[in-house]
Amino acid sequence: DGGITQSPKYLFRKEGQNVTLSCEQNLNHDAMYWYRQDPGQGLRLIYYSQIVNDFQKGDIAEGYSVSREKKESFPLTVTSAQKNPTAFYLCASSISRTMVGNTIYFGEGSWLTVV
Amino acid sequence: GQNIDQPTEMTATEGAIVQINCTYQTSGFNGLFWYQQHAGEAPTFLSYNVLDGLEEKGRFSSFLSRSKGYSYLLLKELQMKDSASYLCAVTERGAGSYQLTFGKGTKLSVIP
Repeated sequence: DGGITQSPKYLFRKEGQNVTLSCEQNLNHDAMYWYRQDPGQGLRLIYYSQIVNDFQKGDIAEGYSVSREKKESFPLTVTSAQKNPTAFYLCASSISRTMVGNTIYFGEGSWLTVV
Repeated sequence: GQNIDQPTEMTATEGAIVQINCTYQTSGFNGLFWYQQHAGEAPTFLSYNVLDGLEEKGRFSSFLSRSKGYSYLLLKELQMKDSASYLCAVTERGAGSYQLTFGKGTKLSVIP
C-alpha cells in the first residue's frame, strides 16, 4: 500500500540529547514537510523540502534539522537546542508544492516527550 | 502572511447538522482545505475549495466565499465517530510555490 510511514510512534528524550524521527513515503511525491502540533496551537511548519537535496525553513525551524538525500526519505532531528520539544510531530508529503490544489497527506505522527 | 480564525470548540447532538466556520485574511489566496483529525491521529483530507460555492461529498459539504474570506464545513446526520478536530487550511501563493497555513482547529464533540 502507498503511504507515509513515521517512526517511532513514541519517543522519549533526555535533556541534552538529539533524537531523529524517521519519515518515509512511497507515493512518489516531490514535496515533504514536517509539522509540530501542540494543544490549542494547530499545525506549525518546521521544515519543508520541494526536491531532493533541497530544504527550506518553516515558521519554527530553530532547534531542528533535516536532510533530503533520497526522494522517499525526510528525517527530522530534534536537537538539544530545542528547549521545549515535547509535542506531536507530523510528517507529510504532496505531489508538488508548485501545483495549485496541492493536497498534503500526513503520516500517523510521532509523540516526543522529554524526560 | 495569513490569519485564519475558527471556533475553538463546538458541541452538537447525534443526528443533527453542524456548521463549522472559518474566516481568513490572505494576500494571495489559492484555495482552502478542510481536514479531520481524531485525537492523537494524523489529519485526513476532507475537501478542497478554490472557487466560490458549495462542494458536497456525502454527509460533508464545504462552502467558500472568496470575497468575504469565509468558508464553512457542514456535517449532516452527525454520528458519534464525527467527534474530532476540524482543521481549516488556506493556500497562499508565494514565490514560485504554494504555502499552506493551518488554523488552530475546531474540536467538535458529538453527544447522544
